Amino acid sequence: QSVLTQPPSVSAAPGQKVTISCSGSSSNIGKNHVSWYQQVPGAAPKVLIYDNDKRPSGVPDRFSGSKSGTSATLGITGLQTGDEADYYCGTWDTGLITGVFGGGTKLTVL
Amino acid sequence: QVQLQESGPGLVKPSQTLSLTCTVSGGSISSGDYHWSWIRQPAGKGLDWIGRINTSGSTNYKPSLKSRVTISVDTSQNQFSLKLNSVTAADTAVYFCARMHPLPGGTYDYWGRGTLVTVSS
Repeated sequence: QSVLTQPPSVSAAPGQKVTISCSGSSSNIGKNHVSWYQQVPGAAPKVLIYDNDKRPSGVPDRFSGSKSGTSATLGITGLQTGDEADYYCGTWDTGLITGVFGGGTKLTVL
Repeated sequence: QVQLQESGPGLVKPSQTLSLTCTVSGGSISSGDYHWSWIRQPAGKGLDWIGRINTSGSTNYKPSLKSRVTISVDTSQNQFSLKLNSVTAADTAVYFCARMHPLPGGTYDYWGRGTLVTVSS
């Protein structure tokens, strides 16, 4: 059971938009920034979004992040088949004094 | 460009100790106010945070693992290490080391490629 809650899967057609939600609590998302990671099979996670809504250099602006209260959202526009991957949200839990992740969301581009 | 590389045995017997080292290259492990973390991922499952250490040696561990885990740092070797004792099959996973930014950010920006550790007799 993950501390952060994500939908197990989402899907959409190429070119379309998809959003992935991440729900937490006042001790984690409510107090700290959220990051989003993309993981393709056999590889390490790669940070897509940090500090809720910032993109590292090299990450396309098709990827966006937002946070409101105890929830965060990852948005991906102009879907490409290469976006098929698992996506994880993560943050710090000030109450547990641990890092926490969502259970991951598998994106399928139909 | 900072790089992290995990190393250690890929096979550990039940009840024994899992030991992994993460070597940091491309920069000093003591540079900046980062924490150095271990994260694992059982096959087909999500990311599981194990713990972190800073270069002063201050640690935080996942509560359910706290009695079995030790993370240490060797700044002279630019390395940090993970020891997990009394392992069982449930500890079989890919183990990643990663660099964690200071809070409230907490982003893991650099990751090792991961190393598979199998617990089996």
